[in-house]
Amino acid sequence: QKEVEQNSGPLSVPEGAIASLNCTYSDRGSQSFFWYRQYSGKSPELIMFIYSNGDKEDGRFTAQLNKASQYVSLLIRDSQPSDSATYLCAVNRPGGSYIPTFGRGTSLIVHP
Amino acid sequence: NAGVTQTPKFRILKIGQSMTLQCTQDMNHNYMYWYRQDPGMGLKLIYYSVGAGITDKGEVPNGYNVSRSTTEDFPLRLELAAPSQTSVYFCASSYASGSVHNEQFFGPGTRLTVL
Repeated sequence: QKEVEQNSGPLSVPEGAIASLNCTYSDRGSQSFFWYRQYSGKSPELIMFIYSNGDKEDGRFTAQLNKASQYVSLLIRDSQPSDSATYLCAVNRPGGSYIPTFGRGTSLIVHP
Repeated sequence: NAGVTQTPKFRILKIGQSMTLQCTQDMNHNYMYWYRQDPGMGLKLIYYSVGAGITDKGEVPNGYNVSRSTTEDFPLRLELAAPSQTSVYFCASSYASGSVHNEQFFGPGTRLTVL
């Protein structure tokens, strides 16, 4: 079983819609969860992190964490063509580790 | 601050050649990491370091070596290059202590082709 799983996509949404990206993880003791955005040919950059159950909002982005069900999601409201990128989910290993495991990433396409 | 810098940006190697990928960070981060990313795949951890003089293997360390003599530098050495090492290599750093989350900052990457 893969440690961090994401649907590779592509996920295609129209401009202005809500894009929902999901990630599941296998290590129940994981404590820190990250979403990175990676444009084609570029390096990943942090969008959000979350470590408590529930929702965390930052502008058009909302991260949702459910530790009981072992999933973390990223919602992008009012999607823009500039949001088109690959979104990588990263989960720190259990036990207070600072070593993350990355999922394969979900490709998001926002079409005008 | 320059953040995380990597050199070179591109390199073509012949099978059996060796090279060193350079990585430097100026944020005084204690943790540094080397990843490889193959097309359509996520990031695979090669090696990491929790501080100067301390390194450890990640998921895919075979064929690579690292050293960390200073806080700033974390070079990755490829010995006897093989076609399977064709990939994009990212160096990253983070500050980690106490708090449960630690954002990673990535360098621009090195695109390596082994022919």
